[in-house]
Amino acid sequence: DTGVSQDPRHKITKRGQNVTFRCDPISEHNRLYWYRQTLGQGPEFLTYFQNEAQLEKSRLLSDRFSAERPKGSFSTLEIQRTEQGDSAMYLCASSRSSMIDSYEQYFGPGTRLTVT
Amino acid sequence: QKEVEQDPGPLSVPEGAIVSLNCTYSNSAFQYFMWYRQYSRKGPELLMYTYSSGNKEDGRFTAQVDKSSKYISLFIRDSQPSDSATYLCAMSDPYGQNFVFGPGTRLSVLP
Repeated sequence: DTGVSQDPRHKITKRGQNVTFRCDPISEHNRLYWYRQTLGQGPEFLTYFQNEAQLEKSRLLSDRFSAERPKGSFSTLEIQRTEQGDSAMYLCASSRSSMIDSYEQYFGPGTRLTVT
Repeated sequence: QKEVEQDPGPLSVPEGAIVSLNCTYSNSAFQYFMWYRQYSRKGPELLMYTYSSGNKEDGRFTAQVDKSSKYISLFIRDSQPSDSATYLCAMSDPYGQNFVFGPGTRLSVLP
């Protein structure tokens, strides 16, 4: 078990460009979460999947953000027309979906996005 | 009022001290409570999770929940310099769908 992996680890982009991040969860985990974290703050929930179904999205998630998990394994998070306010660490986490296990979320190392 | 409040610190203690970290929350729907440790530029690492009021111990760490006061704590005994990190509390509804994190407390354990 190699843990949750994210790619790329760092991304620098110019305002207005689109970016896509990838997350590979722990293989037996069927829940996958995306969070955003800015300096000095805790992770902020964006969205989560159970298998391939996107079950919840934060009200804070702009229409410029979209996430997919087409085969219930890896997931991608795309940000269109990036803005400087999108600069943050984007974290992915995974867990099992049973009642007792869903609270054990394992995080990846994150993708640090800088929008210039 | 934010759903979860946590003193951001920084908190500096000498090696071997007992550390107390705390969070308060406002949403009585929260039933599960987690503590994460996050080193600089890394993802959070789950330390402990608890359900219901009371204490849970794991090695040098003790998590305490008081639902009546909406107050949770993490105690670290015999603190080590390697414990220097940001500690995040998190909480969830019973369905594991609504996770909310506190802003984190930055801890420095000085040798």
